[in-house]
Amino acid sequence: DTGVSQDPRHKITKRGQNVTFRCDPISEHNRLYWYRQTLGQGPEFLTYFQNEAQLEKSRLLSDRFSAERPKGSFSTLEIQRTEQGDSAMYLCASSFLGMQAPNTIYFGEGSWLTVV
Amino acid sequence: AQKVTQAQTEISVVEKEDVTLDCVYETRDTTYYLFWYKQPPSGELVFLIRRNSFDEQNEISGRYSWNFQKSTSSFNFTITASQVVDSAVYFCALSEAAFNTGGFKTIFGAGTRLFVKA
Repeated sequence: DTGVSQDPRHKITKRGQNVTFRCDPISEHNRLYWYRQTLGQGPEFLTYFQNEAQLEKSRLLSDRFSAERPKGSFSTLEIQRTEQGDSAMYLCASSFLGMQAPNTIYFGEGSWLTVV
Repeated sequence: AQKVTQAQTEISVVEKEDVTLDCVYETRDTTYYLFWYKQPPSGELVFLIRRNSFDEQNEISGRYSWNFQKSTSSFNFTITASQVVDSAVYFCALSEAAFNTGGFKTIFGAGTRLFVKA
């Protein structure tokens, strides 16, 4: 049973460029989450999907950010016109909607973004 | 609104000492879940434990134990006989069990960095 997988693990980009991160959740999980973590802070919620529907977006998710989960499996998080303040680790997590492990989310290894 | 406070930013102990990491939470819901996660230097957040709001029984798993007290809104984590491999950042988290489309997000405290010296 593979865990949550994220790609790329590290990305360095110039300010103004677009970047896209991909997340493959644990196969039987129907919920998928994106979080952002900066140094010395806990993960901050960005958005989550149940199957292909995006059910909630944080105010942290500005118009330059867009997340999709087109077939209810993998998800992408795109950041357009990156700014230095976008430098962070972007974490993907997934969970199973059910009573087996209620509300328990399992994280991937994260994608580090550095905007120079 | 939900909130999780981990007042200890960093703790340093010597191997074999016991250490307790504090967590205080705020929520208006009566049904919620509390979690602890470990983030070692490699970066991946590892799930340690989940507790629901109706189960105040303390739990022990090897050298780890958790003390959940609703009266003080606390969910503290104790590591007994700490080891160097316990060095990591530990996060306490809260999820409200709202059964509508707006629920289920998990919020995290700022974390406590634990250094265990040999």
